[in-house]
Amino acid sequence: QVTLKESGPALVKPTQTLTVTCTFSGFSLSTTGMRVSWIRQPPGKALEWLARIDWDDDKIYSTSLQTRLTISKDTSKKQVVLMMTNMDPVDTGTYYCARTYGAGSYASDYWGQGILVTVSS
Amino acid sequence: QSALTQPPSVSGSPGQSVTISCTGTSSDVGSYNRVSWYQRPPGTAPKLIIYDVSDRPSGVPDRFSGSKSGYTASLTISGLQAEDEADYYCSSYTTSNTFVFGTGTEVTVL
Repeated sequence: QVTLKESGPALVKPTQTLTVTCTFSGFSLSTTGMRVSWIRQPPGKALEWLARIDWDDDKIYSTSLQTRLTISKDTSKKQVVLMMTNMDPVDTGTYYCARTYGAGSYASDYWGQGILVTVSS
Repeated sequence: QSALTQPPSVSGSPGQSVTISCTGTSSDVGSYNRVSWYQRPPGTAPKLIIYDVSDRPSGVPDRFSGSKSGYTASLTISGLQAEDEADYYCSSYTTSNTFVFGTGTEVTVL
């Protein structure tokens, strides 16, 4: 059974760095074709794709946020970590991690429940 | 990368069909058959219902179908059911090797 769960702080201050962790089970990120992405959703707004890391450690980032984002993986711990620097209140939202694998190699077939992150002083 | 354009809301009666459009550009929808659709009922995580424009993952009812013409992709829900009430988002791979989501559409079953 594939599951993903996000963890991290519920509240961060402006200018701080956010670190959110995706802990997954039911698959291995060392399997060829396996990928994990981060997506966020500000309150009342649309989903926004942030970053993706692949089984071979290839990484891609949102063009508009790439200077602030770092994605990494720990295959043995079954975790993917996203760091976002210089947080601002506009970064408030629910942060999701999601898996991509198989025929739909450009779509995410399993998602975590998300973690709500509020940026406020 | 601007969000793909979707209508804010669509509605229909049980048993009817509704179609949600997703309009992009030559940099995303128009360049690849890599459009996916997600259903997000209130308070739950998104669920993949269509990938690669028109393919359905295992377990997704065939009431859900997808298509694309030019820069616009579409999701059709046939035989609308109460359980289909949710927000729907499209997504596309882009020529920048990134992904972009749509603005989202709220489907209401009357």
